[in-house]
Amino acid sequence: SQKIEQNSEALNIQEGKTATLTCNYTNYSPAYLQWYRQDPGRGPVFLLLIRENEKEKRKERLKVTFDTTLKQSLFHITASQPADSATYLCALVFILTGGGNKLTFGTGTQLKVEL
Amino acid sequence: EAQVTQNPRYLITVTGKKLTVTCSQNMNHEYMSWYRQDPGLGLRQIYYSMNVEVTDKGDVPEGYKVSRKEKRNFPLILESPSPNQTSLYFCASSPHRVGEQYFGPGTRLTVT
Repeated sequence: SQKIEQNSEALNIQEGKTATLTCNYTNYSPAYLQWYRQDPGRGPVFLLLIRENEKEKRKERLKVTFDTTLKQSLFHITASQPADSATYLCALVFILTGGGNKLTFGTGTQLKVEL
Repeated sequence: EAQVTQNPRYLITVTGKKLTVTCSQNMNHEYMSWYRQDPGLGLRQIYYSMNVEVTDKGDVPEGYKVSRKEKRNFPLILESPSPNQTSLYFCASSPHRVGEQYFGPGTRLTVT
């Protein structure tokens, strides 16, 4: 069966450290992978998109890797700050033959950055 | 301001009473989707639309209907709500087939 796994346990790290979040999937071959941030009671906010033929993507303090052989994406936040505390979601993007797309989301990992 | 709006934000209703959740975007996006978010299950796609009058089912379409008569609007209709449709609902729009999703603020629905 198809599955997306993100760390179900919350990740607590100290301010200034690098946070690394994991997204593993099985039995999927997504064309793209996206990462979102979600704060309590609010809609997810897009952060980064990476294509299947890209190994790494960066944006400011954020870095995403995508290993289609391992079926894994890693999401890094360097020099983390308390304001980075949120739930982070990964989403697999599939292109459909009819012209549409389908996004399948993981359940998210809660990150807490402590002073 | 570029945004996706949803109404109502909170709704408590009874089983069987038809309801509509509206969604509107002002970014001229072609793609729009509806999701529901439940604890432990994450976000699941209900329906999506590639353009006006073009819609298709997502992963959990049972009990829901949608329509896309105008590019900016994508209402979600529950003809006969049931308690298992109690959830947090998000509408989203996207400028590209694989582009980033812009999510609305969410609608918390409780069906008793």
